[in-house]
Amino acid sequence: QVQLQESGPGLVKPSETLSLTCTVSGGSINNYYWSWIRQPPGKGLEWIGHIYNSGSTNYNPSLKSRVSISEDTSRNRLSLRLSSVTAADTAVYYCARHSSPMTTLTIWGQGTLVTVSS
Amino acid sequence: DIQMTQSPSSLSASIGDRVTITCRASQSIDYYLNWYQQKPGKAPKLLIFAASSFHSGVPSRFSGSGSGTDFTLTITSLQPEDFATYYCQQSYSSPPTFGGGTKVEVK
Repeated sequence: QVQLQESGPGLVKPSETLSLTCTVSGGSINNYYWSWIRQPPGKGLEWIGHIYNSGSTNYNPSLKSRVSISEDTSRNRLSLRLSSVTAADTAVYYCARHSSPMTTLTIWGQGTLVTVSS
Repeated sequence: DIQMTQSPSSLSASIGDRVTITCRASQSIDYYLNWYQQKPGKAPKLLIFAASSFHSGVPSRFSGSGSGTDFTLTITSLQPEDFATYYCQQSYSSPPTFGGGTKVEVK
């Protein structure tokens, strides 16, 4: 079955750029929507944005100026970049799949904790 | 953004209890409401989509209802594996937003 695995640095310095990858196995990334969601420790869930077929993206307005999501179809993976990070960006970051722009998140990765600290 | 408000934020229950969690949207979202279950250290799992439709493999003791602004998740007979935090999420408009969560604890 389809599995998602997030990876990337667990520690990022303030003002730097957070970069994460979500590798998809067991299925193609084509023709699906892929979202990034984050969860600060002990808190709730926040949708970051999604990508569809490489060319179409939609971002949370609260993060839009700092976020970029892309796909690498040759490697069957997607990427998240979040610039100018602060301690408030410390969170577990998840990637997830949905079948339409109506964001019903059917398959999730296990998540990866990113801490922003000097 | 559409605000999603869950109540209660936590509850204590025993095995076999009927548990009800409510979710209210700040404006009508028709039936575009999803429910997720999250256990500590794990990713959320989709339980219910479109307010009342079961995701694959979800036990029938879980059910969802509601439309417009008011929604309910019911667990008819609480099982040990159901102790977790539950989140509602609207998929009616962008950005999709989540409720604050309801933690179901052992009484």
